[in-house]
Amino acid sequence: NAGVTQTPKFQVLKTGQSMTLQCAQDMNHNSMYWYRQDPGMGLRLIYYSASEGTTDKGEVPNGYNVSRLNKREFSLRLESAAPSQTSVYFCASIGQGGTYGYEQYFGPGTRLTVT
Amino acid sequence: RKEVEQDPGPFNVPEGATVAFNCTYSNSASQSFFWYRQDCRKEPKLLMSVYSSGNEDGRFTAQLNRASQYISLLIRDSKLSDSATYLCAVNSRGYQKVTFGTGTKLQVIP
Repeated sequence: NAGVTQTPKFQVLKTGQSMTLQCAQDMNHNSMYWYRQDPGMGLRLIYYSASEGTTDKGEVPNGYNVSRLNKREFSLRLESAAPSQTSVYFCASIGQGGTYGYEQYFGPGTRLTVT
Repeated sequence: RKEVEQDPGPFNVPEGATVAFNCTYSNSASQSFFWYRQDCRKEPKLLMSVYSSGNEDGRFTAQLNRASQYISLLIRDSKLSDSATYLCAVNSRGYQKVTFGTGTKLQVIP
């Protein structure tokens, strides 16, 4: 199992450019998430998808769109990148297991710089 | 008030020391609690879930205090390899949404 994979690992964009961050999981999990992590701010939820075909806003959705392409894949799109979107982006999925009946697994992250 | 709060540190401790971190949460209806470890420039990885009665995993002990709304992580006999940022996470809105603290940085010094 590869777990949660993300592409690209690094990206530099100019203000106004668009791009899509890709995420895939091979653990047959229903729920998938996109977070951003900034110094001093911790992990903040952008969007999540509780199941294939559904998406919901998290804490900081403005400037982003998502697509749950199928059960495996959940992409994050920046339509018009801004310097404030410079961050590290983590994709995650939740599956059964652990003390509370579920565990969260993270991808390796995408480091995005917008100039 | 933030939903989940942690002291950012850094906590600089010598090898072999015992160190403890606290994490407070604001929602009394919170249902599940976790500690994650995050190494520099890496993704968070689950360290331990926190049981209501407290739990231990080797040198690590996690406790939950519902009355005061905090969870704690105790690390005994610190190793250089324990140097990392420790994130607490709390779920209070159904299993699908977990809120993270900003993390506490630990540096273990030789």
